[in-house]
Amino acid sequence: DIQLTQSPSSLSASLGDRVTITCRASQSISGYLNWYQQKPGKAPKLLIYTASSLQSGVSSRFGGRGSGTDFTLTITSLQPEDFATYYCQHTYTTPPAFGGGTKVDIK
Amino acid sequence: EVHLVESGGDLVQPGRSLRLSCTASGFNFDDYGMHWVRQAPGQGLEWVATVSWNSNLIAYADSVLGRFIISRDNTKNSLHLQMNSLRAEDTAFYYCTKDITSSSSGTMDYWGQGTLVSVSS
Repeated sequence: DIQLTQSPSSLSASLGDRVTITCRASQSISGYLNWYQQKPGKAPKLLIYTASSLQSGVSSRFGGRGSGTDFTLTITSLQPEDFATYYCQHTYTTPPAFGGGTKVDIK
Repeated sequence: EVHLVESGGDLVQPGRSLRLSCTASGFNFDDYGMHWVRQAPGQGLEWVATVSWNSNLIAYADSVLGRFIISRDNTKNSLHLQMNSLRAEDTAFYYCTKDITSSSSGTMDYWGQGTLVSVSS
């Protein structure tokens, strides 16, 4: 099975900061990589699909890049509503596994 | 507006069974693949099972294979998860999710609010 490793597992940032989260796959997954945001007590929300496509209704502060094994999610100018846990997920094969998550909290 | 509402979560003893349901609205249910994803309290996300729009393609995580059965009823816009031989490690919130395409790509664009399954004696 393909494993996804996210880094860092947590980070502290200030409002207005630019934040980058990395997701590395154990083998090439082409561009089959999604990003989700989860706030406490809520269901995850799709942000980015196929590495760089912004889901409808999602702020353009969120951007995704990468292909093969290395991917990034960047949040430009961090806003209060962006403090959450972020998960990457591959859909290259079954099982469509998730990364371990990156918690973004307030510095 | 898309809505997914799970039900059926409960506290059950190890070895017992439970059936989860998900009622969908706001989209053409029989056009999309559906999934179950779980999350143990305070932990990460784990894909559990997938069913294609016409139930021809079904897949399970190794951790539930042989114990869980995913099914759908397109006449009732409903998704189900029959959970048998439950174990303590099955304790989690279970989310019903909609695939972004009809081909069960694995990308999940809508999620229900989740239902809690607790397995304990």
